[in-house]
Amino acid sequence: GQNIDQPTEMTATEGAIVQINCTYQTSGFNGLFWYQQHAGEAPTFLSYNVLDGLEEKGRFSSFLSRSKGYSYLLLKELQMKDSASYLCAVKDSNYQLIWGAGTKLIIKP
Amino acid sequence: GAVVSQHPSRVICKSGTSVKIECRSLDFQATTMFWYRQFPKQSLMLMATSNEGSKATYEQGVEKDKFLINHASLTLSTLTVTSAHPEDSSFYICSARPYAGDSYEQYFGPGTRLTVT
Repeated sequence: GQNIDQPTEMTATEGAIVQINCTYQTSGFNGLFWYQQHAGEAPTFLSYNVLDGLEEKGRFSSFLSRSKGYSYLLLKELQMKDSASYLCAVKDSNYQLIWGAGTKLIIKP
Repeated sequence: GAVVSQHPSRVICKSGTSVKIECRSLDFQATTMFWYRQFPKQSLMLMATSNEGSKATYEQGVEKDKFLINHASLTLSTLTVTSAHPEDSSFYICSARPYAGDSYEQYFGPGTRLTVT
């Protein structure tokens, strides 16, 4: 079966750095996505990785290792508005998105 | 940037009635649109994939006669929940994949919160 694992919940302090991990086992791989979802809202796109390595976009970076079936989302200089759920999703061999359950990130002052 | 709208944003209906949700890509053409459902504190669940001008492809366990999907044009897809029941209460989200440009991106609508009483 296909499976994506991420921690259920994480807590971090404003101004700090947090790393949200995602491991996946899917039938094929055609890219990995990170989305941010605030409560009651639709997800918004954060990043896309299809090759190994680190993609940096402002305060957010995403890393991928295809051989390990592993990715992480790194958030720097945390702000209160970063409190949200972060969803990891993998596009499989049929180009279908397989979603993780999401990691709820709580930012404390 | 690409914008996807959904209408209505919230709807309350009585059990047994039908509800139609519209999903529009406002500034791009979408060959493919996706419909998701999300229950509280759970991940997105893909319900169906619709391509313009053809029948939607439903995920296993999703009743196609209950969740009618029409993708009549490159900018509009509709989801009709027929004979709604309280267990259909959920957050319904559509997304659209552009006709041109990077094919990996999906743009999400703001979602529709359906409450069936």
